[in-house]
Amino acid sequence: AQKITQTQPGMFVQEKEAVTLDCTYDTSDQSYGLFWYKQPSSGEMIFLIYQGSYDEQNATEGRYSLNFQKARKSANLVISASQLGDSAMYFCAMRLYNQGGKLIFGQGTELSVKP
Amino acid sequence: DGGITQSPKYLFRKEGQNVTLSCEQNLNHDAMYWYRQDPGQGLRLIYYSQIVNDFQKGDIAEGYSVSREKKESFPLTVTSAQKNPTAFYLCASSLGAGKEQYFGPGTRLTVT
Repeated sequence: AQKITQTQPGMFVQEKEAVTLDCTYDTSDQSYGLFWYKQPSSGEMIFLIYQGSYDEQNATEGRYSLNFQKARKSANLVISASQLGDSAMYFCAMRLYNQGGKLIFGQGTELSVKP
Repeated sequence: DGGITQSPKYLFRKEGQNVTLSCEQNLNHDAMYWYRQDPGQGLRLIYYSQIVNDFQKGDIAEGYSVSREKKESFPLTVTSAQKNPTAFYLCASSLGAGKEQYFGPGTRLTVT
């Protein structure tokens, strides 16, 4: 069964420090994509970063990087130099290309950045 | 500005009434999606459409219907058959099945 697991319901981090949000996935497909989205209290979903299953390099986008360990089926998000505006829900998602590109989401991790 | 619009932001309905949520995009994307989010949960796929006049059921399609008569529009109807319609509904679109999805601001539906 295809599934995304985020085991951290809530996380706290001090401003300016780095934080890692965990994500593990389960699929038998060879071709898939992994995404991280940020959802502030306003509700919109903001795309942060993408990793393809065949990409050998870990993806990076500014302060965001994705620690992709294919053998372990993990795709952890690392946020460096946390800012107060990073406080939000973070969702890991997997895209299945042979199923119309639909996204399967994890339960989310609520990140709180302390000043 | 290019983007996805959903209206209204908040919607209230009485039980037993059908209600239609709008989703419009001017990004020229082929694929569009509807998701439902319940409190403290991730998103679940209701319906998706990869091309005009074609759509497929997602994981929780029961009690919902959609149409895709125009490329830029993908309205979702929540019917009275949906047992628990109160939720946050998000529409998304993408250039193709392999591209990232961009989301609208969402509609919060409350049925009493």
